[in-house]
Amino acid sequence: QKEVEQNSGPLSVPEGAIASLNCTYSDRGSQSFFWYRQYSGKSPELIMFIYSNGDKEDGRFTAQLNKASQYVSLLIRDSQPSDSATYLCAVGGNDMRFGAGTRLTVKP
Amino acid sequence: EAGVTQFPSHSVIEKGQTVTLRCDPISGHDNLYWYRRVMGKEIKFLLHFVKESKQDESGMPNNRFLAERTGGTYSTLKVQPAELEDSGVYFCASSQYSLAGSYNEQFFGPGTRLTVL
Repeated sequence: QKEVEQNSGPLSVPEGAIASLNCTYSDRGSQSFFWYRQYSGKSPELIMFIYSNGDKEDGRFTAQLNKASQYVSLLIRDSQPSDSATYLCAVGGNDMRFGAGTRLTVKP
Repeated sequence: EAGVTQFPSHSVIEKGQTVTLRCDPISGHDNLYWYRRVMGKEIKFLLHFVKESKQDESGMPNNRFLAERTGGTYSTLKVQPAELEDSGVYFCASSQYSLAGSYNEQFFGPGTRLTVL
C-alpha cells in the first residue's frame, strides 16, 4: 500500500466549476498535510497546508482534513484555465511523503 | 530574493559514470532537502540537512548516493557509479529553521533531470 494515494486523473472540469481533488494516507500518526501545485516542467509550489481536522480556506482554495478517515482533499472554486496543473498531496514534515499527483485540466 | 537553484538542469551520463548535482538553497535557510521523482512515480524524500548535519537520510536508496553540505550552505548529491534506475528528476528544497513540532514551508528548486544510458 502506498503511503499517500491520489487519483492520477486526468480530472477535467469546465471553467468556473469546482474542482475536487482527493488524497488518502496510511500513517495514522501524520500531523501535517500539504497541497502542492506543479506546472509541467516546473518545481512544486505550496498552495495550502492544514494541520487540524476540518476546513481551511484561502481564496478560491479550501483544504479539508479528516484524520479519522485518513483523508485530505482540496477544493478549487471558480476554476480557471491557469489552474491546469498537477496537484500533489504531501504528508509529514521534514520527511514529506508525496502522492503521485492528480492532473487537472480546466477547459475554457 | 533568489529562490532555490539547482545545477545542472539536465545531465545525461552513461551507466557506471559519476554525476554530481548541486543545490543552492535560499540564503539563510538552515533546512535543505533532497527529493527524487522517477518517471511515473511519486516524489520521494531522500534526505534532510540542518545546516551541515544530516538530520535524516532514511530515503537514500543505497551507498552509491552521497550527499554533502559543507559549511551549511550549498549541497551536492553525488551518484557513483550511476545505474539505469537512477534516472529521474532530483529536486532540492529549503526552508527556514523550525522549532521542534513546527513546520516552515519548503521551497523547491527547478530540479535536475538525470538520464542514465
